[in-house]
Amino acid sequence: DAKTTQPNSMESNEEEPVHLPCNHSTISGTDYIHWYRQLPSQGPEYVIHGLTSNVNNRMASLAIAEDRKSSTLILHRATLRDAAVYYCILRAMNRDDKIIFGKGTRLHILP
Amino acid sequence: DVKVTQSSRYLVKRTGEKVFLECVQDMDHENMFWYRQDPGLGLRLIYFSYDVKMKEKGDIPEGYSVSREKKERFSLILESASTNQTSMYLCASSLAVRTGEQYFGPGTRLTVT
Repeated sequence: DAKTTQPNSMESNEEEPVHLPCNHSTISGTDYIHWYRQLPSQGPEYVIHGLTSNVNNRMASLAIAEDRKSSTLILHRATLRDAAVYYCILRAMNRDDKIIFGKGTRLHILP
Repeated sequence: DVKVTQSSRYLVKRTGEKVFLECVQDMDHENMFWYRQDPGLGLRLIYFSYDVKMKEKGDIPEGYSVSREKKERFSLILESASTNQTSMYLCASSLAVRTGEQYFGPGTRLTVT
């Protein structure tokens, strides 16, 4: 599986936008970019995914670079409840549905 | 809403005991997964299953086995628990689509003494 690189931790102020980066320079043409997050004392939860075009949903936006070698998860207005570990994951279009989790980015929100 | 439930949130067992961790999902998902999560190591896949009575090894299957007798239930078994199996165990399920999201349970924190 292609690898992703994320910063270990980031800080942001409450009610400000947050941009969480992810590098995936070895991405293949059929890899989807997925983001999950894990709130304290909970299991991971799906946030968003995309292939080539930018994506928006009620939780976040995903901006994908034109060469697809990097992407950015955008939280438009961070709240204290967004403090979590955010995982950027590549998933290939094959039968195998397993996810390989990296170490993610721990996001701290400052009140 | 999809619901994945795990039999216990916290469990304490002794070295050498046989341990069963149960996971149930209510959305008729084909795929089910067991992960463990340790500080500094992230989530690691232990076993997964595509269908009833089918299982595949993940990245760290040693010391574990699994059972999937019914579609909605996936059990993780520690035949003889050891202290290095103290961890947070997370179960997940997904539809049999190639890039669909996985739904996770709340986790079971297992301590082996």
